Amino acid sequence: VLTQSPVTLSFSPGERATLSCRASQSVSTTFLAWYQQKPGQSPRLLIHGGSIRATGIPDRFSGSVSGTDFTLTINGLEPEDFAVYYCLHYGISRYTFGQGTKLDIK
Amino acid sequence: QVHLVQSGAEVKKPGSSVKVSCKPSGGPFSSCSISWVRQAPGQGPEWMGSVIPVYGSTQYAHKLQGRLSITADERTGTSYMELSSLRSEDTAMYFCGRPSQCVDYWRGALDNWGQGSLVIVS
Repeated sequence: VLTQSPVTLSFSPGERATLSCRASQSVSTTFLAWYQQKPGQSPRLLIHGGSIRATGIPDRFSGSVSGTDFTLTINGLEPEDFAVYYCLHYGISRYTFGQGTKLDIK
Repeated sequence: QVHLVQSGAEVKKPGSSVKVSCKPSGGPFSSCSISWVRQAPGQGPEWMGSVIPVYGSTQYAHKLQGRLSITADERTGTSYMELSSLRSEDTAMYFCGRPSQCVDYWRGALDNWGQGSLVIVS
């Protein structure tokens, strides 16, 4: 199980946002990803392998791992960054999504 | 980058079945598995299952086993998701996704997505 907290975060453009995802048991960070989703759109891959930015993703997005805690950091929030973010673990027999964190404009 | 094109919206009666297709376009497709993910209104994504087109091997989420069938045409790369005995709680947007790179065919971050197919059960 992947638990994302909090459910909603509010920031102003230009600030740094830190989103958390915690696994209920030890998982391989090789298979951990972060997605951004806007209303009416498919999820967009931001980070894979725990910390590798996907093709075309701005460097203000970064991922890190510490034990069973996974973090997505967005430096210098842009207006287009306000969306819902999901973590995903892609295991050998299933994919597991977190419940999501909504990033709101303060 | 490969784009995945899904079939259109469907409205189904409870107890019936729905079949959604997912066809790649725009370039050569990878040998990785194709996954189906659904998202109920206001909810997060839920993985349903995956198929490796070259082998036809499948994996399904436990809660959907018995009602879900995922297939793929190796030649065209098209995948099909069929869900039977539909209930109102199956109302959702259904997405297909496929990694560009993967380990063991199964494990890869989904970076190619279809546009979604809305299924309404009513």
